[in-house]
Amino acid sequence: DVKVTQSSRYLVKRTGEKVFLECVQDMDHENMFWYRQDPGLGLRLIYFSYDVKMKEKGDIPEGYSVSREKKERFSLILESASTNQTSMYLCASSLIPGYTNEKLFFGSGTQLSVL
Amino acid sequence: LAKTTQPISMDSYEGQEVNITCSHNNIATNDYITWYQQFPSQGPRFIIQGYKTKVTNEVASLFIPADRKSSTLSLPRVSLSDTAVYYCLVGDGGSARQLTFGSGTQLTVLP
Repeated sequence: DVKVTQSSRYLVKRTGEKVFLECVQDMDHENMFWYRQDPGLGLRLIYFSYDVKMKEKGDIPEGYSVSREKKERFSLILESASTNQTSMYLCASSLIPGYTNEKLFFGSGTQLSVL
Repeated sequence: LAKTTQPISMDSYEGQEVNITCSHNNIATNDYITWYQQFPSQGPRFIIQGYKTKVTNEVASLFIPADRKSSTLSLPRVSLSDTAVYYCLVGDGGSARQLTFGSGTQLTVLP
């Protein structure tokens, strides 16, 4: 089975801090994604990546950046955390480059609280 | 982008068959329909995907009428452990932007 591992289950940070959320997948998948999930809003796509060092903005990229230096690892960076970035963050991966109807495999999520 | 509409919530009893319908009136010719399941404090999990007619796997069945403007996820004989949020997605794989999850349907299975 594909395993997508997010480094932290819960994280508490202060406003203005730089925050790194790490995600690692073990199945050599090409695509990796970052979503945030908020009550009543479903999952919203922040950024995605089709290949190493390649990234594209999703629907809500403002206030975030990403890094993909190695194929298995996709990091989400909050340059200066704000309270409105308090949310559940979900990382996902899928196999086929550019074919996003391939099924997604998700990590268990990181619940981030920004105080 | 094909927008989807699902009921916000549904209740059922153990042992019953549950049908969750998703409306996607502006589905495009190349679009597939995919359903995911999400338990509390976990990421969504792929359940089933289809293009037309009927697809069945060990977990669920997916019914898609000829006009493809809706689809129905069918869960046979649900148990308490099927309590989860179910998401319907529509897209052709052309862009990750099409992977819009929406709010999903909260299914609660009662004893």
